[in-house]
Amino acid sequence: NAGVTQTPKFRVLKTGQSMTLLCAQDMNHEYMYWYRQDPGMGLRLIHYSVGEGTTAKGEVPDGYNVSRLKKQNFLLGLESAAPSQTSVYFCASIPGPMNTEAFFGQGTRLTVV
Amino acid sequence: GDSVTQMEGPVTLSEEAFLTINCTYTATGYPSLFWYVQYPGEGLQLLLKATKADDKGSNKGFEATYRKETTSFHLEKGSVQVSDSAVYFCALSDRLNDYKLSFGAGTTVTVRA
Repeated sequence: NAGVTQTPKFRVLKTGQSMTLLCAQDMNHEYMYWYRQDPGMGLRLIHYSVGEGTTAKGEVPDGYNVSRLKKQNFLLGLESAAPSQTSVYFCASIPGPMNTEAFFGQGTRLTVV
Repeated sequence: GDSVTQMEGPVTLSEEAFLTINCTYTATGYPSLFWYVQYPGEGLQLLLKATKADDKGSNKGFEATYRKETTSFHLEKGSVQVSDSAVYFCALSDRLNDYKLSFGAGTTVTVRA
């Protein structure tokens, strides 16, 4: 049981490049979330999904897009990377209303130069 | 909206000392409260949780009680070990907000032998 797996773990992008971060969970969880972690700011929600085929904006959605075509996968895209998007990105999932414990991936450290 | 405020760090302690990290919250509904821990280079993992007022969450010697009257969820441990060195996050989620986690800024705890 792998839990929540994020790929890649590290990436360096040049300003203006695009990329996609993949989050995969094998626990059949309904809800999935993308957060970014910046020093002194805790984790802030970028986008989330309450089920296959659904997405919604979080606190800091600008510059990002997401898709949840399959229940187990939640993709985060950066269309045109900016230095302000340098951060550590975490994906999380929860089973659903009866159990709201969040399971987190190991994180993706992204640097935009 | 929902928000969490937690004691700023960093906190440095000697082994076997008493640890307390204050956490207060603001929420419109009836949130569940959590403490997550992040060890260096890893993702977040659930330390303990409480789902209703007066519930006490406990795990690995850590405890926190859901106090609705003071809107608090302070984390305590009676005797810390070097292995407790980590970043601790207080968080809440609410079904009214699709179980999105709202995090405090995190408190870095270092325990010295």
